[in-house]
Formats: sequence, C-alpha cells, structure tokens
Amino acid sequence: NAGVTQTPKFQVLKTGQSMTLQCAQDMNHEYMSWYRQDPGMGLRLIHYSVGEGTTAKGEVPDGYNVSRLKKQNFLLGLESAAPSQTSVYFCAIRLTGTNYEQYFGPGTRLTVT
Amino acid sequence: TQLLEQSPQFLSIQEGENLTVYCNSSSVFSSLQWYRQEPGEGPVLLVTVVTGGEVKKLKRLTFQFGDARKDSSLHITAAQPGDTGLYLCARWVAGNMLTFGGGTRLMVKP
Repeated sequence: NAGVTQTPKFQVLKTGQSMTLQCAQDMNHEYMSWYRQDPGMGLRLIHYSVGEGTTAKGEVPDGYNVSRLKKQNFLLGLESAAPSQTSVYFCAIRLTGTNYEQYFGPGTRLTVT
Repeated sequence: TQLLEQSPQFLSIQEGENLTVYCNSSSVFSSLQWYRQEPGEGPVLLVTVVTGGEVKKLKRLTFQFGDARKDSSLHITAAQPGDTGLYLCARWVAGNMLTFGGGTRLMVKP
C-alpha cells in the first residue's frame, strides 16, 4: 500500500461529532474513490473523483461529503457521525492503462458510539 | 441492490481440497475483476477478464468468464492455508463506479 496512505488508521467518535478522513497518493492519478466495508459485506462506493476539483456521488453518499482541492489528496468528511457509519473506510486510486485496476489504501477503522 | 451476486458466502475446507466460487449478474458486463482481501488490508486485484469464454490462470487459481458475459467463476486447485481470505468480484458501472459483489469468505484449514 505504499502508494496510498490513509489517516488515521483508527478512530472512535461519539454520535454527532464530526471528522475528516484523509487519503493521499504519491503518484499522479486522476481518479480517487472512497468505499466503506461493513462486517461480512463487500465494499460500497461512497464518493469518487475523476480529477482535481471534481467529485461525484457513489452508491451510498448520504451522510458524507468529500473534497479534492489537490490532485494528491481526497478527503472524506462526516459532519454528524451516526452509529450506522461504523465501518472500515478504504480509499483507492485507479491505475491507468491496466484494465482500470483499483489500488487500495490500508483502510481506516471508524467506530461511532 | 447488488448487481453482482456471489456464492457461496462462506466456505471452509481442508488443505488440499479444490473449490469453486461464483459471481453472477442478470446483466451483461464488458469486463469483470476479481480481488482478494486479507484481514486488515485493502483488496488486491487478482485478474481482469474481458472476453466471453475467457480463461485465465494464476498459479493454482483459474478464472473463467461466461460466454454470455453475465457470470464468472474462480476455481482454486489444492487449496492452501495461504489462500484464506475474502474473494470479491467487481465490475465497472457507467465507466467510473466500481461495484462489488458481497464476497466469498474462504477459510482453508491445515
């Protein structure tokens, strides 16, 4: 996961608190995305970005906001955390010229109490 | 609603056994990807299949894309404990949204 870093690795929030999950790439890829993974389930796309300054909704965008002010960074915000947002969050980049392979970061484990 | 249905959801086998996991959809897709995820890590791409009827091999793993491009399978020969993990199929929707199946959790006991 050397190319994609996520901070923090772990976080505990109380209901109603806000926070921002950070994702950074050390390459120059246009496409970045955020997923959540609940226990025993596959990954679900929250938001994605096809380039600096652009973002779009994925499958489960409600309760989240994102920003892509710089190409290297994609931020995921929770304005008012809810227990239903307890999950593991993964950031990914899409490699070019490789059948659209997604390369994932190590994940952030978030617990909302 | 998941566009991709994976089966079985869970599989526990002994080392040396063979197994097959499936990924099905009601719609045709241009390509399909298989990822493997180990505990505490993000998914890692194993293979992309793009042609109906295509078969790709990766050591003891054989991936097949159905002729009608609505289904795919992953066969593991002589499974080893190191094959333990979550196997996910995924497809790109509308060009920019990678959607995943629910996954097959495999445990290989020594």
